[in-house]
Amino acid sequence: TQLLEQSPQFLSIQEGENLTVYCNSSSVFSSLQWYRQEPGEGPVLLVTVVTGGEVKKLKRLTFQFGDARKDSSLHITAAQTGDTGLYLCAGLYDSWGKLQFGAGTQVVVTP
Amino acid sequence: DVKVTQSSRYLVKRTGEKVFLECVQDMDHENMFWYRQDPGLGLRLIYFSYDVKMKEKGDIPEGYSVSREKKERFSLILESASTNQTSMYLCASSPLKGSYEQYFGPGTRLTVT
Repeated sequence: TQLLEQSPQFLSIQEGENLTVYCNSSSVFSSLQWYRQEPGEGPVLLVTVVTGGEVKKLKRLTFQFGDARKDSSLHITAAQTGDTGLYLCAGLYDSWGKLQFGAGTQVVVTP
Repeated sequence: DVKVTQSSRYLVKRTGEKVFLECVQDMDHENMFWYRQDPGLGLRLIYFSYDVKMKEKGDIPEGYSVSREKKERFSLILESASTNQTSMYLCASSPLKGSYEQYFGPGTRLTVT
């Protein structure tokens, strides 16, 4: 099993601030996905990054895949209370579609 | 709207009971997964199925079994529930090719007393 480490484990910020969540591994992944999970619900996909060095933007969220395809980051600009949730990164590690998940970063945005 | 449904949101069982968790998807996906989610440990794969009647062990299969008799339905069975199986159980499905995006159900919070 290839390990994915997320940091920080917990992040509490005020509305309007920026934040960055990191996802690191010593292994190479063919692609990496980011999910957000809200309390009482299952995770929902935010983005998939495939190419080393790729940057994807989703409104105020910016996702980057490292050049070596071993790490990724999620940056949120001007956070809103609706961004509160557990952010999970997941690496695709075989051709059957199995994912290795990180432990998650709990983000809390307060008014 | 794509959907993965799980039979129960909350379940309380006693030690030694046989427990069935059911999952149904309406997207005609080949792949289905069962995970358990515990604080600080993320999602850990219990079992995976890539076709009807086909299954593969994940990282933590001990104490669990699965059944997939129809493409849309994937069941997780705890043969003899134990307190260390108290957890959130998440079912997911994904297509066999393409982006491999996984669609999750809302989860079942199982408490074994």
